[in-house]
Amino acid sequence: SQKIEQNSEALNIQEGKTATLTCNYTNYSPAYLQWYRQDPGRGPVFLLLIRENEKEKRKERLKVTFDTTLKQSLFHITASQPADSATYLCALASGSARQLTFGSGTQLTVLP
Amino acid sequence: KAGVTQTPRYLIKTRGQQVTLSCSPISGHRSVSWYQQTPGQGLQFLFEYFSETQRNKGNFPGRFSGRQFSNSRSEMNVSTLELGDSALYLCASSFQAGASAYEQYFGPGTRLTVT
Repeated sequence: SQKIEQNSEALNIQEGKTATLTCNYTNYSPAYLQWYRQDPGRGPVFLLLIRENEKEKRKERLKVTFDTTLKQSLFHITASQPADSATYLCALASGSARQLTFGSGTQLTVLP
Repeated sequence: KAGVTQTPRYLIKTRGQQVTLSCSPISGHRSVSWYQQTPGQGLQFLFEYFSETQRNKGNFPGRFSGRQFSNSRSEMNVSTLELGDSALYLCASSFQAGASAYEQYFGPGTRLTVT
């Protein structure tokens, strides 16, 4: 069956370090992969979208990679700040599916 | 530009009742998708509407339905509520159809509690 796994439910890192979050999937051939941030009591906020033919995408301190051979996406936040503390969700869809399927999320805490 | 708005923000209903939730997308957005979020199942896709037509539906029972109006506003309805329907219901809008291919803008959600 199709499955999306995000690394550990919670990740704590020190301010200034790079946070790396993992999204692994099985039995998917995703055409698109998206990353969202969600704060408590709020709806998710779109961060980055990467297509299957793209290896890497950057936006300010954010970088996402997409390895269709490893069936994995890595999401990096460089020079992390306490304000980056939130739950990060990956979401993907195959070319034929028109719906996004979300992972369970990783709760990131950046310690001052 | 105003963001996605959802009403009401909080709702308490009794098992067996029905409920209607409303979503107003960002101006100019014609695609509206609905999601259910629970601690156990996470964020799950319910359905997507574009130009008043349901384009895609997730794996939910027929008690969950929706519609979209000509101004792109959308409503979702849950009939015969069950305790397990307690969740945060999120609406997301996008300029174009195909929720998977385009960034989505989420509203704050409606917190539904079924007692």
